[in-house]
Amino acid sequence: EVKLQQSGDELVRPGASVKISCKASGYTFTSYSMHWVKQRPGQGLEWIGAIIPIIDTTEYNQKFKGKATLTADKSSNTANMELSRLTSEDSAVYYCARHGGGYYFDYWGQGVMVTVSS
Amino acid sequence: DIQMTQSPTSLAASVGESVTITCLASEDIYGSLVWYQQKPGKSPQLLIYGATILEDGIPSRFSGSGSDTQYSLKINSLQPEDFASYYCQNGLSTPRTFGGGTKLELK
Repeated sequence: EVKLQQSGDELVRPGASVKISCKASGYTFTSYSMHWVKQRPGQGLEWIGAIIPIIDTTEYNQKFKGKATLTADKSSNTANMELSRLTSEDSAVYYCARHGGGYYFDYWGQGVMVTVSS
Repeated sequence: DIQMTQSPTSLAASVGESVTITCLASEDIYGSLVWYQQKPGKSPQLLIYGATILEDGIPSRFSGSGSDTQYSLKINSLQPEDFASYYCQNGLSTPRTFGGGTKLELK
């Protein structure tokens, strides 16, 4: 069974950084790219970027360049996303999602709620 | 970037009715259209990809159609568990872009 288990919810101070993780199981981690999606409360979905674990290649939505940094640890089958210089605009749920079939997200993590507040 | 415009943004219907949600891409996406369902507090779930291909385990009352820039999701004989939000997604190019969502509510 494919599963993407994300780390727990975070409360962080403005200006700080946060790193959230997504541990994959039930499939070969290096065979699929991992994507990250943002959803602000009551809002729609926004693609942040992706990483191809087997070659450690990343691609970012221009909007999130400098904000998000994606990495992958092949030894632990874990994808990570670090968000820096956090502001209230970064308060959202962040999902990791496996890219199946080349253009759709077939499995999603449960989401991590990041709350930026002093 | 390809813009995805969904309509309506909200929709009220009754159990047993049929509804249609549309998604308009700002350019031809050659059938690379994906639909997701999201229930409150849950992750999105893949429903349809390739505009018309039902993901395994998705009930046949869901169907997708369309080509070029215009796509639709139809739900026949609505069930209580279908009341949720629905999103379309551009699968042709990056950045992957989503429609603004359609919230399907019980009338």
